Amino acid sequence: GDSVTQMEGPVTLSEEAFLTINCTYTATGYPSLFWYVQYPGEGLQLLLKATKADDKGSNKGFEATYRKETTSFHLEKGSVQVSDSAVYFCALTSNQAGTALIFGKGTTLSVSS
Amino acid sequence: EAQVTQNPRYLITVTGKKLTVTCSQNMNHEYMSWYRQDPGLGLRQIYYSMNVEVTDKGDVPEGYKVSRKEKRNFPLILESPSPNQTSLYFCASSLRDNYGYTFGSGTRLTVV
Repeated sequence: GDSVTQMEGPVTLSEEAFLTINCTYTATGYPSLFWYVQYPGEGLQLLLKATKADDKGSNKGFEATYRKETTSFHLEKGSVQVSDSAVYFCALTSNQAGTALIFGKGTTLSVSS
Repeated sequence: EAQVTQNPRYLITVTGKKLTVTCSQNMNHEYMSWYRQDPGLGLRQIYYSMNVEVTDKGDVPEGYKVSRKEKRNFPLILESPSPNQTSLYFCASSLRDNYGYTFGSGTRLTVV
């Protein structure tokens, strides 16, 4: 079945460092890909998405490119802030998954000043 | 403000006492879904609905019921809660399946 694998955390960075969180997927057909962010004590917020190969999603300085050849959707940010500390989830929807979002396990990011 | 509203935010209950967690969205979304989040297991879908009166099971439906009598509401019902249903629950809605879901703030349920 469809699945999402993302790098284990926690990821600990200093402010203004470069961030990469790796995400790879297994899916039949052409899934849509998402990154969600969960701040402490809150629900999940959609951070960015891409619905077809080579699409780049971007929001709040974060970017991810849908790479069909490597089945990847890595999240990047050029300069992280303390306020970016949160849990990040990679997810997909596909025809096989129906309406379900298939989530990765989440990666905790901690940014210190 | 466009949002998904869940109530209550926190609930402690005893085994076997029926409870309902409400979920309402004001975005006229067709799709609604319930997830539970558990440490080490991530987020798993419980039930989903593609429209009024259309519901279907997700990955972990046992012990739960849902209904979709109106487009905006999608309550989650635990007829006889058990301790293994202690979890953080999220309701979510979407315009369509590749649009991206909007999540509620969550309901932390403890069953003792």
